[in-house]
Amino acid sequence: SQTIHQWPATLVQPVGSPLSLECTVEGTSNPNLYWYRQAAGRGLQLLFYSVGIGQISSEVPQNLSASRPQDRQFILSSKKLLLSDSGFYLCAWRETGSRETQYFGPGTRLLVL
Amino acid sequence: GQNIDQPTEMTATEGAIVQINCTYQTSGFNGLFWYQQHAGEAPTFLSYNVLDGLEEKGRFSSFLSRSKGYSYLLLKELQMKDSASYLCAVRGTNDYKLSFGAGTTVTVRA
Repeated sequence: SQTIHQWPATLVQPVGSPLSLECTVEGTSNPNLYWYRQAAGRGLQLLFYSVGIGQISSEVPQNLSASRPQDRQFILSSKKLLLSDSGFYLCAWRETGSRETQYFGPGTRLLVL
Repeated sequence: GQNIDQPTEMTATEGAIVQINCTYQTSGFNGLFWYQQHAGEAPTFLSYNVLDGLEEKGRFSSFLSRSKGYSYLLLKELQMKDSASYLCAVRGTNDYKLSFGAGTTVTVRA
C-alpha cells in the first residue's frame, strides 16, 4: 500500500529565515505530487505540482519554490520567510495517469514569528 | 478561473441528517470530490462524482448535477465524530489540478 510522509510536523521560524519542508511517497512510482497551503480558517491553496522528476508547475507567484530531486520526493523551500507564510502545508499525491483522488500527507504546521 | 462556494458553518443534532451544498463555476469539468478534515489534521477523501446522480457510501452520499453546477454531500445518522470541515473540490480542464472551496464546518451537538 502507499504511504506519504511529511516532516517536520511542526516548525516555528523567525521572519527572514530559510525553509525546507520534505515530502516522500512510498509504494508507488512516478506519482503526481502537490504542495498546498491552508491558512487558518481558509481553504486549500495549490502552490506547486509536479508530474515527474525535475518538472514543477507553479500556481502562485511568491517567495516559495519547489523541487523534485527524486521520483518520490518533493521539497518546498524558501530563502526568506515572511509572516504571511504561516500556515498548514500539505503534500498530496495521485497515481500517474489516474483520474482518482489526491491523497494527503499529515501536514506541516509552520508558524513564522 | 474557478469559483467554488459552500456554506461556512452548519450545526446539527446527533442522529439527524445534514446536507452540505456546493456550487461551482469552473473552466471545464472533470469530476467533483468531497473531503473530510478534522481540526488540525489532513483532509481525507470521502467521495467522487463525475456523472450526474447520487453516489452512496454508507452514511455518506454525494449528488451531482453538472448542468446546474451543483453538488451536495448528505450525512445521515450524524455522530459526534462527524464534527469536521467538509471540503468540496472540482477538477477542471487541467486534469492534474483540483480547486477547493473554503470548506463547511459541521458541528454535531448531543
